[in-house]
Amino acid sequence: AQKVTQAQTEISVVEKEDVTLDCVYETRDTTYYLFWYKQPPSGELVFLIRRNSFDEQNEISGRYSWNFQKSTSSFNFTITASQVVDSAVYFCALSEKGSTLGRLYFGRGTQLTVWP
Amino acid sequence: ETGVTQTPRHLVMGMTNKKSLKCEQHLGHNAMYWYKQSAKKPLELMFVYSLEERVENNSVPSRFSPECPNSSHLFLHLHTLQPEDSALYLCASRSTTDSGNTIYFGEGSWLTVV
Repeated sequence: AQKVTQAQTEISVVEKEDVTLDCVYETRDTTYYLFWYKQPPSGELVFLIRRNSFDEQNEISGRYSWNFQKSTSSFNFTITASQVVDSAVYFCALSEKGSTLGRLYFGRGTQLTVWP
Repeated sequence: ETGVTQTPRHLVMGMTNKKSLKCEQHLGHNAMYWYKQSAKKPLELMFVYSLEERVENNSVPSRFSPECPNSSHLFLHLHTLQPEDSALYLCASRSTTDSGNTIYFGEGSWLTVV
């Protein structure tokens, strides 16, 4: 069965602090994709990144970085030097290569609040 | 500007009303989705259309009726809704040739049923 767990329901930090959002997943497939989406108060889910299961190289994009570890089935997301505009709900999601429908399995999300 | 646009952004309707949510994607995709996001609940996949055919209906009550007239447009027709149907309804799209299944979402339609 497929499952994505985001154990942190809410996180609060002060601006300029680093913050890591945790994501743990379960799947029986050997080929799958992992995603992070950001949902600001306006409602839209903004696509941030997709990683393939066969590529464990970590990725950095500006202040964002992602740590993918197959051994622990985790795909964690770190924001460096957080800013107030980073305040949003962040969702981790999983999709299996064999899914012809492109179904995404979402975690429950982590509400991040960055205080000035 | 988002490649997936939804209208209206906010809708308040009575339980006896009939209304529709509209979604349009400008990304050249050929699969479209309706998701429901309720407070304190995970995102729920409602319907999937692939190449304009409905390929999944996740046990959604018949008071929700989707329509996909072409690959760029998706509607969700609403009638005799219940207060518990109040939620954010998100439309999304993807290309079926993308094996990575990246889905792009619209801004959502906030629905309140009174």
